[in-house]
Amino acid sequence: QQQVKQSPQSLIVQKGGISIINCAYENTAFDYFPWYQQFPGKGPALLIAIRPDVSEKKEGRFTISFNKSAKQFSLHIMDSQPGDSATYFCAAADNYGQNFVFGPGTRLSVLP
Amino acid sequence: DSGVTQTPKHLITATGQRVTLRCSPRSGDLSVYWYQQSLDQGLQFLIQYYNGEERAKGNILERFSAQQFPDLHSELNLSSLELGDSALYFCASSEGGGFRYNEQFFGPGTRLTVL
Repeated sequence: QQQVKQSPQSLIVQKGGISIINCAYENTAFDYFPWYQQFPGKGPALLIAIRPDVSEKKEGRFTISFNKSAKQFSLHIMDSQPGDSATYFCAAADNYGQNFVFGPGTRLSVLP
Repeated sequence: DSGVTQTPKHLITATGQRVTLRCSPRSGDLSVYWYQQSLDQGLQFLIQYYNGEERAKGNILERFSAQQFPDLHSELNLSSLELGDSALYFCASSEGGGFRYNEQFFGPGTRLTVL
């Protein structure tokens, strides 16, 4: 119940295309859903985050869509660029402040 | 550069040994978090300290322990090391004390290899 599932495991997109990464959870105590971006040799960095009282959040080319009833959320990267090539992790935190879990990650490659 | 520093960058040791990983948070951040990243387990939260006190505990083994000192730097101690402990260990820091709505800034990590 603590798990966050993430798909696809890897994704190849042409420059200018849309990259879509999906995550799903079971634990209804989760109420904060951040996405992290990790480049090789670096630590993860917060990209964008959403609360469950909002169905969508957009920051530049990055958008999180959230479906509370389905317990699913997704990251959309519009106009994908080669510089977006990285591993993306969804994550979830519970409202007790005791649990923070990551999805297994998606390796994104954007072809020039 | 996140402002979080970790030392050492690489560590190679043998099974059964004990090592200490060190983390200095960003200036002004009171929380320190430790994570383990491995190929088979992914990114896992280990433990969090806030202003010197343990705040949250994740999948941390009993062989592992951590502490946060008065100057807010933190150390993660790994003992009786096994081959499976080989991983990247990240430290992160945040201003506030919770996972929610507090941006965590990750350090560059310490790569531990157990031979």
